[in-house]
Amino acid sequence: KAGVTQTPRYLIKTRGQQVTLSCSPISGHRSVSWYQQTPGQGLQFLFEYFSETQRNKGNFPGRFSGRQFSNSRSEMNVSTLELGDSALYLCASSRGFDTQYFGPGTRLTVL
Amino acid sequence: AQSVTQPDIHITVSEGASLELRCNYSYGATPYLFWYVQSPGQGLQLLLKYFSGDTLVQGIKGFEAEFKRSQSSFNLRKPSVHWSDAAEYFCAVGGDTGGFKTIFGAGTRLFVKA
Repeated sequence: KAGVTQTPRYLIKTRGQQVTLSCSPISGHRSVSWYQQTPGQGLQFLFEYFSETQRNKGNFPGRFSGRQFSNSRSEMNVSTLELGDSALYLCASSRGFDTQYFGPGTRLTVL
Repeated sequence: AQSVTQPDIHITVSEGASLELRCNYSYGATPYLFWYVQSPGQGLQLLLKYFSGDTLVQGIKGFEAEFKRSQSSFNLRKPSVHWSDAAEYFCAVGGDTGGFKTIFGAGTRLFVKA
């Protein structure tokens, strides 16, 4: 089985712009979760989608949003980028009630 | 509140020596417990998991972990470390709380010296 894929792998944006990250889960997995990883804050949960519905949400501002499509692929959007949004964004997929499998991440740099 | 504590920010061991990485958790219900490993610039790879049953679980790459409910711990061990084990290790706790949410510890960076 193919693993979780994330595109793009690297991204450079400037403050105030918006960005969209994409995640394709493992075939058959209906849950996709997003995490932000930074040296200072570690791994922080953003949100989880299951069957196109947001099922769980972390403590991030409304500038961070996501969605999931009928094929379980998910996108994450960050609007009005700030310098502090520079991070590795990780996507994880699961069947919805157990082990999460992670993609390689998207490295976002905000200048 | 759900939380995971990894008390050691970094650990250095000699190649061939044994390894134990500590993890303590706080979780209101029966937890699902995980250990992941992350190489620089990469995603997280699952080493092992505990859901129920035998409290000693075996994982990939020769790792094992023991669940001790009385101590709220889930320590990771390896009898003989290889240079390729140098990475960051994350302990995590999760559960079905109306949506599966995983809480990660801060991680332990493992250095291996020749």
